[in-house]
Amino acid sequence: ILNVEQSPQSLHVQEGDSTNFTCSFPSSNFYALHWYRWETAKSPEALFVMTLNGDEKKKGRISATLNTKEGYSYLYIKGSQPEDSATYLCALTTGTASKLTFGTGTRLQVTL
Amino acid sequence: NAGVTQTPKFRVLKTGQSMTLLCAQDMNHEYMYWYRQDPGMGLRLIHYSVGEGTTAKGEVPDGYNVSRLKKQNFLLGLESAAPSQTSVYFCASSYTLDRAGNQPQHFGDGTRLSIL
Repeated sequence: ILNVEQSPQSLHVQEGDSTNFTCSFPSSNFYALHWYRWETAKSPEALFVMTLNGDEKKKGRISATLNTKEGYSYLYIKGSQPEDSATYLCALTTGTASKLTFGTGTRLQVTL
Repeated sequence: NAGVTQTPKFRVLKTGQSMTLLCAQDMNHEYMYWYRQDPGMGLRLIHYSVGEGTTAKGEVPDGYNVSRLKKQNFLLGLESAAPSQTSVYFCASSYTLDRAGNQPQHFGDGTRLSIL
């Protein structure tokens, strides 16, 4: 069983703050790293799928980087807004049937 | 544009009862998955399917059975429900160009199941 760890568990920031959180994973047998955004009472929604060491992806104010050699990915949110409040999940696949192993998530709360 | 639809959304069962959760996707995806979500734990894979007529065990398959008779549907069955199966169940599907994991998964809204 793969061990995917996310930190911090939860984060509380004010509107306008920039923030980042970490996903750590075993670097062996890496195939792809997924990031999902999960709002309360909704379903997880894909943000990024990253496959290459050094990958950087961006969607609006959210971006992510990947280091497969040392086994980590960072998710950044620039200028946090209340609508960014959600749990951010990362998940790792080693490529077999696209099966994902999820971390426990970072819960972000953005207040005015 | 429905995506992934799960039914029912909520259910309360008594220990020992059986039930089936239905997942339907309209995106023509080959791969489908069932996960459970418990407090303090990540989504854990119960069973998955790589195509019509195929199923395979995930990380926590005990106490569950699945069937994929049609490409668009993936059923999760509890033959004899136990309180330990109280959880939120999510279905997901994904497109695949090969057998790898470089395509995002699309999730349903979840089924909240309580076993008394």
